[in-house]
Amino acid sequence: QVQLQESGPGLVKPSQTLSLTCTVSGGSISSGGYYWSWIRQHPGKGLEWIGYISNTGSTYYSPSLKSRISISADMSKNQFSLKLSSVTAADTAVYYCARSFNWNAAHPWGQGTLVTVSS
Amino acid sequence: DIQMTQSPSSLSASVGDRVTITCRAGQSISSYLNWYQQKPGKAPNLLIHAASSLQSGVPSRFSGSASGTDFTLTISSLQPEDFATYYCQQSYSIPYTFGQGTKLEIK
Repeated sequence: QVQLQESGPGLVKPSQTLSLTCTVSGGSISSGGYYWSWIRQHPGKGLEWIGYISNTGSTYYSPSLKSRISISADMSKNQFSLKLSSVTAADTAVYYCARSFNWNAAHPWGQGTLVTVSS
Repeated sequence: DIQMTQSPSSLSASVGDRVTITCRAGQSISSYLNWYQQKPGKAPNLLIHAASSLQSGVPSRFSGSASGTDFTLTISSLQPEDFATYYCQQSYSIPYTFGQGTKLEIK
């Protein structure tokens, strides 16, 4: 079955760019009908949808983050990535990648990776 | 953004109880409503999509229903492994917003 795994630095300095990669196994991100998503969860808080990329490379972003985010995909590596620029402490969160499919529901999810923004 | 209002925010119940969690959308979202379960330190897990479609592998004691902009997750007979936090999510309009969560605790 499809599995996802996030990777990237756990600590990012304020004003820098957060970069995370999600590696997908057990399925191809170039398969039609799926969107590859990023979702985050601030410590002890609820969930926030960030955006996703389709198998054709189309991207859809949360308006509140749109000016700072970029999601891209590397089909040859079966990976997709998130870049979030000009980070502040408010961007400290657990970042999850997930596959979205039927009715845009997210399943499965990666295990998540904590990114702390601090100098 | 579509606001999702989930209630209650916390709930105490016993094994074997029937439990209902409600989510109200701020506008029509058709049936684009998903329910997730999250246990401490783990990623959320999809339980139900399209308001009432049970995800493969999820026990049949979980069910979902809809009435207009009101959506309900019901657990028919609580099991020990069901104590967790539950989130609703609308996936009708970007950004796909979540409810604030319902923490289900053991009484």
